[in-house]
Amino acid sequence: NAGVMQNPRHLVRRRGQEARLRCSPMKGHSHVYWYRQLPEEGLKFMVYLQKENIIDESGMPKERFSAEFPKEGPSILRIQQVVRGDSAAYFCASSPRTGSDQPQHFGDGTRLSIL
Amino acid sequence: GIQVEQSPPDLILQEGANSTLRCNFSDSVNNLQWFHQNPWGQLINLFYIPSGTKQNGRLSATTVATERYSLLYISSSQTTDSGVYFCAVSDYKLSFGAGTTVTVRA
Repeated sequence: NAGVMQNPRHLVRRRGQEARLRCSPMKGHSHVYWYRQLPEEGLKFMVYLQKENIIDESGMPKERFSAEFPKEGPSILRIQQVVRGDSAAYFCASSPRTGSDQPQHFGDGTRLSIL
Repeated sequence: GIQVEQSPPDLILQEGANSTLRCNFSDSVNNLQWFHQNPWGQLINLFYIPSGTKQNGRLSATTVATERYSLLYISSSQTTDSGVYFCAVSDYKLSFGAGTTVTVRA
């Protein structure tokens, strides 16, 4: 019974390139959350998605960042024209249904490094 | 948003010691989770505990929702307990505290 799967585990990009981070939720989970952990900081909410819908993107930077969770396939967090400040660990979590009374299950994260 | 405060920020323990970590939150919540982030950066889900008391091996947790705090107890600490412990509460999106960095010395 696989947990939340994120790939790649580590991603290195040069400034100006694009970064694509993938997240496959746990089986039976249709809700996905992305969080970012900047160096020496705690985790901050970025975006909450259900299949084919963005429910809350209040934590996403206004420019260069986008997220999707298509009907088929993993959720994708996309960062265009990366800058050094994007270097962070990006975690994905999933839950079976909506509601604040549902525990979220986390993947191992993707560590993004910008050269 | 909900404010989450964790204390102490840092904790140094001798192997075998017991400790208590605290999490205060600013509003009523339906979800409270404790996590351990190990030295490899992985987030390990310790407890889902919006109220009451749970135990898992040497770890236990208590949440008093009416008073808006939760406690994580580590007993007979081991070096593998080192890392950062996060408390997170939810009104569907998790708000994390700044964490308690625990160092257990052999």
